[in-house]
Amino acid sequence: NAGVTQTPKFQVLKTGQSMTLQCAQDMNHEYMSWYRQDPGMGLRLIHYSVGAGITDQGEVPNGYNVSRSTTEDFPLRLLSAAPSQTSVYFCASGTVLAGEQYFGPGTRLTVT
Amino acid sequence: AQSVAQPEDQVNVAEGNPLTVKCTYSVSGNPYLFWYVQYPNRGLQFLLKYITGDNLVKGSYGFEAEFNKSQTSFHLKKPSALVSDSALYFCAVRDGAGGSYIPTFGRGTSLIVHP
Repeated sequence: NAGVTQTPKFQVLKTGQSMTLQCAQDMNHEYMSWYRQDPGMGLRLIHYSVGAGITDQGEVPNGYNVSRSTTEDFPLRLLSAAPSQTSVYFCASGTVLAGEQYFGPGTRLTVT
Repeated sequence: AQSVAQPEDQVNVAEGNPLTVKCTYSVSGNPYLFWYVQYPNRGLQFLLKYITGDNLVKGSYGFEAEFNKSQTSFHLKKPSALVSDSALYFCAVRDGAGGSYIPTFGRGTSLIVHP
């Protein structure tokens, strides 16, 4: 099992550009989520999904979109990048029954 | 509402000594409690969890945690620290009542083990 994979590992964007962060898991987990990690702020939930076709907003959803067309994939779209979105982004997956999540290696995004 | 607190930003311990990383929580129903570890430039790794059963939970890398319902705590412990245990540790809680499945994470505690 590859677990949770994320691409790219690093990305630099200019203000106003858009991009998609990719996330895939091969564990057949129904629950997937996106977090951002900033110094001193811990992990903040952006969006989550409990199955294909079902998504919902987390704590900090503004400026981000998600979709879940398959169980495996959960891409995160930045619509118009802003310097405030400079962060490390983590995707995670798990089962609702078990509760624990498995995290990808992260994407370090810089917006200039 | 659910919340979790990690009262120490940093914990320092000498190699070979026991370590404790503290976590307290608040939930309406029965808690699902988790510990994760994050090494530099890596994603979080699941260490252990408590959902029900024995209050002392054993996990990966020799770590264990004790669930204390009266003190609403779930402290992470290890009998003998290693330098390689130096990392960022996160506690998380999920409310087991009402069908909630979204965990709340603490802000993290940096563990530094000195040789």
